[in-house]
Amino acid sequence: DAGITQSPRHKVTETGTPVTLRCHQTENHRYMYWYRQDPGHGLRLIHYSYGVKDTDKGEVSDGYSVSRSKTEDFLLTLESATSSQTSVYFCAISESRSTNEKLFFGSGTQLSVL
Amino acid sequence: DAKTTQPPSMDCAEGRAANLPCNHSTISGNEYVYWYRQIHSQGPQYIIHGLKNNETNEMASLIITEDRKSSTLILPHATLRDTAVYYCIVRVADNNDMRFGAGTRLTVKP
Repeated sequence: DAGITQSPRHKVTETGTPVTLRCHQTENHRYMYWYRQDPGHGLRLIHYSYGVKDTDKGEVSDGYSVSRSKTEDFLLTLESATSSQTSVYFCAISESRSTNEKLFFGSGTQLSVL
Repeated sequence: DAKTTQPPSMDCAEGRAANLPCNHSTISGNEYVYWYRQIHSQGPQYIIHGLKNNETNEMASLIITEDRKSSTLILPHATLRDTAVYYCIVRVADNNDMRFGAGTRLTVKP
């Protein structure tokens, strides 16, 4: 299994509070991704990173920001959490953006915003 | 983007081969077909991928038709632990996303 650790695994928070989720990899892969998974929507890309300090938006980026100050860490921040951000969040990594390059996924973070 | 079509659900008897179909009629020449699965609420697990030749690894085989418009994932001897949602994905060139659809929910029965 790819060395991907997501923390925390579960979090319950209140509307309006800031939340930061962490993804840590030990594979030295260049690309890192944040997805969310909701019933009826499958996995949707929030943000991704193609190197230290290099990030870009995905399909559902509103309300989220990311940072990557080290190759191994990719942080997802909800500046002011809303109930619509209750979801399961998955981090993924890949060596490159080639179509012949697979993504490896972490175990997920279950976030509940009350 | 190349889109995929999969049946929403399938059953398979334990010990038998599970054949999961996928249609991707708009696939382009340099786009790979990937299969992932997700067991309960775990992270998606990579199974196999291919371009145009059939592929086999320790988990499964991937059969891609000659015109590349469809493929089949084969689990040769399904076990109860193979019960999961299986996703067929076409990775689009120059796209940093891997688009997961609804997938096929495979239930392996004793």
